[in-house]
Amino acid sequence: NAGVTQTPKFQVLKTGQSMTLQCAQDMNHEYMSWYRQDPGMGLRLIHYSVGAGITDQGEVPNGYNVSRSTTEDFPLRLLSAAPSQTSVYFCASSQTGGRNEQFFGPGTRLTVL
Amino acid sequence: TQLLEQSPQFLSIQEGENLTVYCNSSSVFSSLQWYRQEPGEGPVLLVTVVTGGEVKKLKRLTFQFGDARKDSSLHITAAQPGDTGLYLCAGATGNQFYFGTGTSLTVIP
Repeated sequence: NAGVTQTPKFQVLKTGQSMTLQCAQDMNHEYMSWYRQDPGMGLRLIHYSVGAGITDQGEVPNGYNVSRSTTEDFPLRLLSAAPSQTSVYFCASSQTGGRNEQFFGPGTRLTVL
Repeated sequence: TQLLEQSPQFLSIQEGENLTVYCNSSSVFSSLQWYRQEPGEGPVLLVTVVTGGEVKKLKRLTFQFGDARKDSSLHITAAQPGDTGLYLCAGATGNQFYFGTGTSLTVIP
């Protein structure tokens, strides 16, 4: 099993550009989520999904869109990148939400100029 | 506003010393998880505690969940250089997880 995979590993964008961060898992997990990690802030939940076709907002959803058309994939879209979105983004999955272990991908380091 | 505050933020100790990391909140959580993160990688789960007052041990690591399920602590006995990393607590409310600010631990040989 590959676990949770994320692409790309690194990305540089200009302000106003759009892009999609890809996330896939092969563990048949129902719950998937996106976090951003900034220095001194820990990880903050952006969006999450409890199953295909179901998504919900987390702590910091503004400027990001998600969709969940399959169990395996959970892409994160930046519609119009801003310098404040410079961060490291992590995708995670777990069997279900709540108290289950979350498995994290290796992260995407995004810089917005 | 950070829901979970961790202290200390940075910790540098000698090999063999003991240490405790605290994770505090004014909110009640259904469960509390501790993760460890290495540079350039995603966090990896160490433990999940779900019952107020629960204590779990993982070799030299002892985790405790507060009686009111608002806080937790991680105690490491006889720290080793391999314990170096970023330690994160995460509280679950429903389907949302709130992470603490993190404690960066360095164990000097």
